[in-house]
Amino acid sequence: DGGITQSPKYLFRKEGQNVTLSCEQNLNHDAMYWYRQDPGQGLRLIYYSQIVNDFQKGDIAEGYSVSREKKESFPLTVTSAQKNPTAFYLCASMPGPGGELFFGEGSRLTVL
Amino acid sequence: AQSVAQPEDQVNVAEGNPLTVKCTYSVSGNPYLFWYVQYPNRGLQFLLKYITGDNLVKGSYGFEAEFNKSQTSFHLKKPSALVSDSALYFCAVRDLNNFNKFYFGSGTKLNVKP
Repeated sequence: DGGITQSPKYLFRKEGQNVTLSCEQNLNHDAMYWYRQDPGQGLRLIYYSQIVNDFQKGDIAEGYSVSREKKESFPLTVTSAQKNPTAFYLCASMPGPGGELFFGEGSRLTVL
Repeated sequence: AQSVAQPEDQVNVAEGNPLTVKCTYSVSGNPYLFWYVQYPNRGLQFLLKYITGDNLVKGSYGFEAEFNKSQTSFHLKKPSALVSDSALYFCAVRDLNNFNKFYFGSGTKLNVKP
């Protein structure tokens, strides 16, 4: 079945550590996205990528980094510079302009 | 600036009764509007979208939404609620200047009681 796979589902990190969240899609979508979800705040865009080897900052990119070396993969690294990293992270993809977002099941990061 | 607002943090409805989850938008131009549903600790699932055409849009799981340009609203509706409809619902609008950007509302928690 086609879809978006995020891993790990749950992740615990000590302060000062970088952590990488995986996002893989087999939908053959060009565009991929990372969102952060906090209670009562909706979703906020971290980074997005329209094509391989290209990505743009979203509204809250500080403390995060991404890469897009393959069409299917768009990993997100939460660096130690992110001041409040505890959140639910959602990866999404989109088939093209005018389409809707397809979401993965999310990764919950907790900083201890 | 483009945005959506969901004025209700929570909506309570009895099973079998009609439900409405409200959304208002602010865009300069013709909006692209979306509704998503999220179950606990899960990703968002697409329900329906309005781009152009008929103001009444039908979507998944018996949901529909009515686009009202004069009231800048896009309320989600269902004629008969199910307990399994209990979830978090998000309205979103696409940025007309950048199709890669969506603005999401803060979400409305729907509680359907037996």
